[in-house]
Amino acid sequence: QQQVKQSPQSLIVQKGGISIINCAYENTAFDYFPWYQQFPGKGPALLIAIRPDVSEKKEGRFTISFNKSAKQFSLHIMDSQPGDSATYFCAASLTQGGSEKLVFGKGTKLTVNP
Amino acid sequence: EAQVTQNPRYLITVTGKKLTVTCSQNMNHEYMSWYRQDPGLGLRQIYYSMNVEVTDKGDVPEGYKVSRKEKRNFPLILESPSPNQTSLYFCASSLRILYNSPLHFGNGTRLTVT
Repeated sequence: QQQVKQSPQSLIVQKGGISIINCAYENTAFDYFPWYQQFPGKGPALLIAIRPDVSEKKEGRFTISFNKSAKQFSLHIMDSQPGDSATYFCAASLTQGGSEKLVFGKGTKLTVNP
Repeated sequence: EAQVTQNPRYLITVTGKKLTVTCSQNMNHEYMSWYRQDPGLGLRQIYYSMNVEVTDKGDVPEGYKVSRKEKRNFPLILESPSPNQTSLYFCASSLRILYNSPLHFGNGTRLTVT
């Protein structure tokens, strides 16, 4: 199963709150889990990424939590700001049998109210 | 400046009229890919290329063609566009998915087929 399931589809948070976006996968061959951030009118850009041998990675206000046994990973945005309003995509990469693929979740539109 | 350049940004065409969306990257990346983005469906891969003259189908290749004659260019060809190909298209490049190097996206091409 080369799918990544992402939830929620949309999220509204007040300024200063915590935003949490969840993703789940089935294929244990996935070996790298990046998150991409997309602002309106722009292409997605890499935000933060984690390898499956690490349970947590933090970069500033952004943290990825990874649960290998549950095949789930999540993005936490602490002290959310209006400038964080964007669409967020989780992804998982697969390099197998000469093929290299990056599979995306369906995205979460985050709105941070001032 | 390192970038992926897509042209045009906006395109309105009629059913059946062949079109090409160009994509060029200046980072000497081996891996290039085309995605389409539709509301509620996220980013779906159309075709990808791991090197010159090496292309492979993604998840939604029907109705599209690609070529990779040079490392920097990866055009997307719609030989007979149909209204269901109305979408936002993104070209992306990476050193190699295998190396967990990030995907760099262009700013998108919004295509409308009437």
